[in-house]
Amino acid sequence: KQEVTQIPAALSVPEGENLVLNCSFTDSAIYNLQWFRQDPGKGLTSLLLIQSSQREQTSGRLNASLDKSSGRSTLYIAASQPGDSATYLCAVHPILTQGGSEKLVFGKGTKLTVN
Amino acid sequence: GAGVSQSPRYKVAKRGQDVALRCDPISGHVSLFWYQQALGQGPEFLTYFQNEAQLDKSGLPSDRFFAERPEGSVSTLKIQRTQQEDSAVYLCASSARDSSTDTQYFGPGTRLTVL
Repeated sequence: KQEVTQIPAALSVPEGENLVLNCSFTDSAIYNLQWFRQDPGKGLTSLLLIQSSQREQTSGRLNASLDKSSGRSTLYIAASQPGDSATYLCAVHPILTQGGSEKLVFGKGTKLTVN
Repeated sequence: GAGVSQSPRYKVAKRGQDVALRCDPISGHVSLFWYQQALGQGPEFLTYFQNEAQLDKSGLPSDRFFAERPEGSVSTLKIQRTQQEDSAVYLCASSARDSSTDTQYFGPGTRLTVL
């Protein structure tokens, strides 16, 4: 059974600092991995999607890496801003097995506060 | 509409009442997903539709939960005889076609509180 773990559960940093959020998953048989942002009381916003054949994706100040063989991904945020404060969720899309479906498997998230 | 919409945004029910939660996916999106997110947790898969066909309902926690998408667009998640443990945010997501490569777009969620 695929399990996704995110460390740390919460992180507080001063404005301007660079930071790294970690995600690990137990089964490397995945189509892709996504990083989402969730603001309080809101839905999920997709930040970056990395296909299993890719090593990293970049969008603005965000860079996500994927090491499928070791079951790890990192989300790097450069020059953090107070507006980056949110919960960041990592999700993997497991490769379909017989009777499986297109569901995402999520970690519990990292709550980021930028002061 | 520009994104996935859900209604109501908030629902308070007394234990034992039935509730119905609505999801309007992005127009033309083939795949539709329901997830349940308990407080402080990541979303957990409930069920998946491809057009009007419910291809996976393995995540529905009990037979009190029922989902439908009769015309392949709007979907309704119904919970009968609600219990306190059903209190959570219910998220709906849609994707264009093959979600192994396509991003899942999430709605804002319905926060259900069962008293």
